[in-house]
Amino acid sequence: GAGVSQSPSNKVTEKGKDVELRCDPISGHTALYWYRQSLGQGLEFLIYFQGNSAPDKSGLPSDRFSAERTGGSVSTLTIQRTQQEDSAVYLCASSFGQGSGELFFGEGSRLTVL
Amino acid sequence: GEDVEQSLFLSVREGDSSVINCTYTDSSSTYLYWYKQEPGAGLQLLTYIFSNMDMKQDQRLTVLLNKKDKHLSLRIADTQTGDSAIYFCAESKTGANNLFFGTGTRLTVIP
Repeated sequence: GAGVSQSPSNKVTEKGKDVELRCDPISGHTALYWYRQSLGQGLEFLIYFQGNSAPDKSGLPSDRFSAERTGGSVSTLTIQRTQQEDSAVYLCASSFGQGSGELFFGEGSRLTVL
Repeated sequence: GEDVEQSLFLSVREGDSSVINCTYTDSSSTYLYWYKQEPGAGLQLLTYIFSNMDMKQDQRLTVLLNKKDKHLSLRIADTQTGDSAIYFCAESKTGANNLFFGTGTRLTVIP
């Protein structure tokens, strides 16, 4: 695709359920990022993948959050046992590589936990 | 964005200049960026400045960097209604994999 694609665009779930959010980066981009955007909180870094290297998970807020990137392309962010404070817009971005400041963002997945 | 701070809101009249400010805390930042987020869309890179520069101009956009005060600003000349969006300041740091974003400033342009 021409840009970063994320799905679903909106997800409403009940507290305690698991959710999976998907990101399809721009073809050829080796770096992939997940950020979380909460109202008035800016963008919170979650996790970073670069090629075949071990991911940088330093931003994951708890062990309920995990992410994987299969075949160096598509990534899935999984949130287990969702809580109301997990409600946010989850943004995925990709870039040509580490050190490239131009991140290309998807439109985000808006998660609402009731 | 605990490292990067911005005011949350700014309103200007169409045709006026807008100035969006940002402060950061890490003097080792290598590049500083401005991203724009339009309603319902992802962030898009607007412009960036290398840390050894103090000014960069790109058409209606002027970026000013004061390294001593760790202050970055974005000036938009002749602001148009299409400039209404959230503007994020971001910094990259040596050795860090990710960009550190501010809270974003919501710019509203009044016709």
